[in-house]
Amino acid sequence: DVVLTQTPPTLSATIGQSVSISCRSSQSLLHSNGNTYLNWLLQRPGQPPQLLIYLVSRLESGVPNRFSGSGSGTDFTLKISGVEAEDLGVYYCVQSTHAPHTFGAGTKLELK
Amino acid sequence: QVQLKESGPGLVQPSQTLSLTCTVSGFSLTSNSVHWVRQPPGKGLEWVGAIWSGGSTDYNSALKSRLSISRDTSKSQVFLKMNSLQTEDTAIYFCGSFDYWGQGVMVTVSS
Repeated sequence: DVVLTQTPPTLSATIGQSVSISCRSSQSLLHSNGNTYLNWLLQRPGQPPQLLIYLVSRLESGVPNRFSGSGSGTDFTLKISGVEAEDLGVYYCVQSTHAPHTFGAGTKLELK
Repeated sequence: QVQLKESGPGLVQPSQTLSLTCTVSGFSLTSNSVHWVRQPPGKGLEWVGAIWSGGSTDYNSALKSRLSISRDTSKSQVFLKMNSLQTEDTAIYFCGSFDYWGQGVMVTVSS
């Protein structure tokens, strides 16, 4: 199975600060059809997960454009340009290129 | 408006079988996949399995021998069955299509 390694496990930020989360895969997530199925989800406390980014860099409808995704192959990054209070929670990368799908362990974003 | 809602018993005895239902509205099961994801208390998300729009399934490698996912398209329902439950299976179980998720159902495995 594909292993996704997220760093850091915890991130402390002030409001307005820009932060990045890394997700590294144990194998390339480039599918034979040319797509890379790497998504980013946010789970706020007590809530189900919410899709933020799909196909590495495509912003889900309704998600603020301070969120951006980048990367290719095995290395991916989620960036938040100007953290807001509503961004606090746990961020997960998840891959859907290879069966079975797998999640990263999560990165908890908290206020400094 | 797309909605998904999980239902099932809150308490299951060890070694017994868990049966959960995901009832969807606002989208077709023959056009969308539905995934099950679980979250043990205080821990991260774990992908459990999925049923694809064509009806085929994929399962978590560690759970594959105990797990079955099926659907009834006429009722817009997806079913999860997991046997030989252990305390480690205690978790919130979510169903979703990645862009839409249910609120989840807490399942406790205990005697």
